[in-house]
Amino acid sequence: DGGITQSPKYLFRKEGQNVTLSCEQNLNHDAMYWYRQDPGQGLRLIYYSQIVNDFQKGDIAEGYSVSREKKESFPLTVTSAQKNPTAFYLCASSITAAQETQYFGPGTRLLVL
Amino acid sequence: RKEVEQDPGPFNVPEGATVAFNCTYSNSASQSFFWYRQDCRKEPKLLMSVYSSGNEDGRFTAQLNRASQYISLLIRDSKLSDSATYLCVVILNTGGFKTIFGAGTRLFVKA
Repeated sequence: DGGITQSPKYLFRKEGQNVTLSCEQNLNHDAMYWYRQDPGQGLRLIYYSQIVNDFQKGDIAEGYSVSREKKESFPLTVTSAQKNPTAFYLCASSITAAQETQYFGPGTRLLVL
Repeated sequence: RKEVEQDPGPFNVPEGATVAFNCTYSNSASQSFFWYRQDCRKEPKLLMSVYSSGNEDGRFTAQLNRASQYISLLIRDSKLSDSATYLCVVILNTGGFKTIFGAGTRLFVKA
């Protein structure tokens, strides 16, 4: 089945620790995105990538990093510089970045211990 | 002013009711419009695209009013399973493309 997968479903981070969230898609989509969702708020864009080996900062990139070494994969690292990382993280992809519908993975819920 | 605004609700309606949501956007460079549905603790899923001519998919009707810069979603004959948060999504074209999500409108359909 084609789709977007994210892992893990739940992730616990200790103070000062970097953690990496996985996002994989087999839809052959060029564009991929990372969003953060906090309770009662809309999705906020962290980073996006329009093509392999290229990515741009979104609205709230501070404390996060990404890589796009393969078309299928767009991992997100939450660094220790992100002081309030507890949130629901959603990865999405679209055929291209231009006016295309985005399809979401099931999300990762990050909690700080 | 937020780029995309929605009434957060919640809207509490009985089964069988008709309910309408509005969403306003502030940037005239907005080019594409969508409604997504998000169930509690799940990812958003595309409900329907919104076209200038309006479009209908079963019990759901979406309309776009470019002059007044708003889109709407009408749900007829509400079902219990329609209970969810409905997200308004706008794609801007300002040299590059940017997707803006509304905060969502919560709907509860009760028996």
